[in-house]
Amino acid sequence: DMKVTQMPRYLIKRMGENVLLECGQDMSHETMYWYRQDPGLGLQLIYISYDVDSNSEGDIPKGYRVSRKKREHFSLILDSAKTNQTSVYFCASSRDSPNERLFFGHGTKLSVL
Amino acid sequence: QQQVRQSPQSLTVWEGETAILNCSYEDSTFDYFPWYWQFPRESPALLIAIRPVSNKKEDGRFTIFFNKREKKLSLHITDSQPGDSATYFCAATSGGNYKPTFGKGTSLVVHP
Repeated sequence: DMKVTQMPRYLIKRMGENVLLECGQDMSHETMYWYRQDPGLGLQLIYISYDVDSNSEGDIPKGYRVSRKKREHFSLILDSAKTNQTSVYFCASSRDSPNERLFFGHGTKLSVL
Repeated sequence: QQQVRQSPQSLTVWEGETAILNCSYEDSTFDYFPWYWQFPRESPALLIAIRPVSNKKEDGRFTIFFNKREKKLSLHITDSQPGDSATYFCAATSGGNYKPTFGKGTSLVVHP
């Protein structure tokens, strides 16, 4: 069963708190991604991971960091969350090839108050 | 600078009509163009994709037309159905960097 799983589904945090979003996949995909989606802005790439401990910044990495210690898990961390980080966050994975389809998780809706 | 542009931002058609969604790009190194669709409260999923070796890709009622010279592509949905109502994202990837770039999307509504 090919699946990308995100936890939690919904999260409410106060400004200044730390946030951990977790993502797992069962397809042994090498490449994993974190995107955020805001109304009218489409999907913006935060970070990409090519494999364990091989991460690269996307288009909007400021305020975020990531961790990938196992191929099947990819975490997104917000240290001291800000209200403008309220968004829907999608994790995705793909095979290790530049032109492969992305498989998306169901998303995490984060509200920072 | 926005690398992938989509138009229109929103589109409404009647059931049975052909919907045409447009996409243009800046980077001539882009060599893979997937379209994803996203239904309300769901995650994006691959609909259809094209590589520049072809200028047309068809899958049922969905067809991509690709113009490499003008750096434009379009998604045609023939015999549109209410179930096609979704947001459609055009994306592009370059073999050099693995980083898919998404357009801002076109919201399609098909009225019965």
